[in-house]
Amino acid sequence: EIVLTQSPGTLSLSPGERATLSCRASQIVSSTHLAWYQQKPGQAPRLLIYGASRRATGIPDRFSGSGSGTDFTLTISRLEPEDFAVYYCQHYDSSLPWTFGPGTKVDIK
Amino acid sequence: QVQLVQSGAEVKKPGASVKVSCKASGYTFISYAMDWVRQAPGQRLEWMGWINAANGNTKYSQKFQGRVTITMDTSATTVYMELSSLRFEDTAVYYCAREAAAASFDLWGQGTLVTVSS
Repeated sequence: EIVLTQSPGTLSLSPGERATLSCRASQIVSSTHLAWYQQKPGQAPRLLIYGASRRATGIPDRFSGSGSGTDFTLTISRLEPEDFAVYYCQHYDSSLPWTFGPGTKVDIK
Repeated sequence: QVQLVQSGAEVKKPGASVKVSCKASGYTFISYAMDWVRQAPGQRLEWMGWINAANGNTKYSQKFQGRVTITMDTSATTVYMELSSLRFEDTAVYYCAREAAAASFDLWGQGTLVTVSS
């Protein structure tokens, strides 16, 4: 079973700063099926990145994804006030099939 | 407008069943699979199951196998998720989510809170 871990658990930053979020898989996974979501309190998740590095429709270019193998990264180049939220990584595998990480909370410093 | 609209909050007793609906609009219903994902308080998202809207085929997480049933009404462009033998730990927000490119979920319902309480 593939387990996703995310770090840090909480990231305290100021608007305008750069955020770097990590997602690590317990074994090598396909980057094709690695996605990132943003979730704000009381709202459904919102797709940001799919295929490890492809921005979803309407997602600003300050969000970028990278990585391969077991290590993946979501980067927010300059935090805007609306970016303070919880971020989840997710992976699909035909045998499991979908698993999510525990999330990283980005809060205002 | 492309959207998924779910049914309202439910309160159920342990052992009961709950059926949550998810109405799709603004896109070709049979072109996308629909999944159900739940989120217990303070917990990570958890995938429950999937239905292929083109043919009705389903697949369920092993964790919920035997307790969850996903069905659909193509004419009503609505997908249903029924969870039986409810336990206190089934208290969660249940989401439907449209499956898109690379097995990601690009469209989500607003969520339905199911509370299991005696």
